[in-house]
Amino acid sequence: KNQVEQSPQSLIILEGKNCTLQCNYTVSPFSNLRWYKQDTGRGPVSLTIMTFSENTKSNGRYTATLDADTKQSSLHITASQLSDSASYICVVTGGGNKLTFGTGTQLKVEL
Amino acid sequence: DGGITQSPKYLFRKEGQNVTLSCEQNLNHDAMYWYRQDPGQGLRLIYYSQIVNDFQKGDIAEGYSVSREKKESFPLTVTSAQKNPTAFYLCASSLVFGGGASAQHFGDGTRLSIL
Repeated sequence: KNQVEQSPQSLIILEGKNCTLQCNYTVSPFSNLRWYKQDTGRGPVSLTIMTFSENTKSNGRYTATLDADTKQSSLHITASQLSDSASYICVVTGGGNKLTFGTGTQLKVEL
Repeated sequence: DGGITQSPKYLFRKEGQNVTLSCEQNLNHDAMYWYRQDPGQGLRLIYYSQIVNDFQKGDIAEGYSVSREKKESFPLTVTSAQKNPTAFYLCASSLVFGGGASAQHFGDGTRLSIL
């Protein structure tokens, strides 16, 4: 069964600190992996997309990594800001272009 | 600005009532989707449409219906047969179907509650 597991479920950090969110998947065959940011009461917005051959991709203060061998991805947030408070969702595309969504990591950045 | 507009933002349903959630996009995307989001669960696919006048059931289609008469519009009806409709509903679109290089663009959702 295709699954995407994210950890931690929730996280609280101080403004200016770094953090790393994890995504493990069992989706096969693998096509790509996306990270989305979802603000409270809003729809998700795509941050990055990783294909099989890509190890690292950055989008400003967001850096995603992918290890296709171990089926793990991480999203690293550098110098966190209050506006980073959101849910971060990992989505894996498998066979037939079918998407499997993780349950998300709820991040709160505090002063 | 191009995007997806969902309305209303909040909706209340009475027992035995059908309600319709609106989704309009001006991105010229062929594919459109409806998802349901519940606390502690990943997004679940209700229905999708790869092209106008065509739509397919997703993983949790029971109690829901859709139409795709125009490329820009993909309304979702929550029927009285859906016994647990309280959730956050998200509409999305993409240039082509699925999760390829074309990202899905999401609307800002409709929160449906039972009166």
